[in-house]
Amino acid sequence: AQKVTQAQTEISVVEKEDVTLDCVYETRDTTYYLFWYKQPPSGELVFLIRRNSFDEQNEISGRYSWNFQKSTSSFNFTITASQVVDSAVYFCALKGSSYKLIFGSGTRLLVRP
Amino acid sequence: GAVVSQHPSRVICKSGTSVKIECRSLDFQATTMFWYRQFPKQSLMLMATSNEGSKATYEQGVEKDKFLINHASLTLSTLTVTSAHPEDSSFYICSASETSGSSPETQYFGPGTRLLVL
Repeated sequence: AQKVTQAQTEISVVEKEDVTLDCVYETRDTTYYLFWYKQPPSGELVFLIRRNSFDEQNEISGRYSWNFQKSTSSFNFTITASQVVDSAVYFCALKGSSYKLIFGSGTRLLVRP
Repeated sequence: GAVVSQHPSRVICKSGTSVKIECRSLDFQATTMFWYRQFPKQSLMLMATSNEGSKATYEQGVEKDKFLINHASLTLSTLTVTSAHPEDSSFYICSASETSGSSPETQYFGPGTRLLVL
């Protein structure tokens, strides 16, 4: 069975704080892909990153960084110096051998001025 | 690149009417498109997978006669909600994967369609 768990339902931070969104996954596939998507209030899902199971290198893109650890089946997402525009729902997702993209329940991030 | 459009963005209709939603991949060809439904404050629920030139594959519990899917070309898939009822009111969002691209497993999402059935 494949599963993605985002235990944090809602997070509220003050602008300029760093925040980490947790994602834990389960899969028996040896080849799989992990994703993060951002869903702002407008509704569109914005693709942020894709990681394959053979690449455990951490990635940084501006204020965003991702920590992929196969040993703990986690793919956490950190926003540094958060801004109000970062307020959104963030989804972690997994794609294994199935055609389906398995989504977590999402974490709602509120960045207060 | 990898832009997906959806039309209309919002629709209000009377109960019993049919509503068609279009999903287009603007700058790439998508052999496969996906249709999701999202209830407020919930995650996305896959309704069906649309393959160009063949019948769609519906997820368990999704009525294929209720939600008609047509994937007529490599850049266009349509979802028709037939005889819509208030319980069909929801946010419908499509996605497409660039089958021949460098990351065929990545789904790019459209902006979604908010359907309200009165």
